[in-house]
Amino acid sequence: AQKITQTQPGMFVQEKEAVTLDCTYDTSDQSYGLFWYKQPSSGEMIFLIYQGSYDEQNATEGRYSLNFQKARKSANLVISASQLGDSAMYFCAMSGITQGGSEKLVFGKGTKLTVNP
Amino acid sequence: ETGVTQTPRHLVMGMTNKKSLKCEQHLGHNAMYWYKQSAKKPLELMFVYNFKEQTENNSVPSRFSPECPNSSHLFLHLHTLQPEDSALYLCASSQHVAGSYEQYFGPGTRLTVT
Repeated sequence: AQKITQTQPGMFVQEKEAVTLDCTYDTSDQSYGLFWYKQPSSGEMIFLIYQGSYDEQNATEGRYSLNFQKARKSANLVISASQLGDSAMYFCAMSGITQGGSEKLVFGKGTKLTVNP
Repeated sequence: ETGVTQTPRHLVMGMTNKKSLKCEQHLGHNAMYWYKQSAKKPLELMFVYNFKEQTENNSVPSRFSPECPNSSHLFLHLHTLQPEDSALYLCASSQHVAGSYEQYFGPGTRLTVT
């Protein structure tokens, strides 16, 4: 079974600075995907970035980058040049297969990021 | 409309009521999901539909009844709920392609059971 661990319940960062949100995972699968989602107070889960387990380069999407260290089973999210609008909950997730053979995402408990002006 | 929409956004219901949550995706995806998000807990997968067929029921109580009339619409029928069912219910969709698991979420329905 897959498991995602996010050890930081809350993080604070000053506007324009970079911040790293931690994520470790556990799986016995050889092929898997890792995701980060942002959830503002409005509730919608917004997809940010994806990393495949066989991708050799770290994924980047604008100000978001995923620091993928396969041997350590970590997939940390780095947000550069933080903005006030980045304040939200951030969830790390990984792909998996249900007992019924369906695709699923397994989520961590999330990290609440607060960007201070 | 674009993406994944959910209605209503907020719902308050008594334990004896019957209500339905609606989800619609405009992305041409063939898989749809219901998740439950309770306070301080990870998202819990409830149901999965692939090509309109239910492929997963993650040990959800029978007071939650899903319905998927076509690949664009997903409903969650609610009856005789309990206060502990109060949560944010999120719908998601994805394109069922091997190796691609990216899911797109709706804004959720915040349900309060009184």
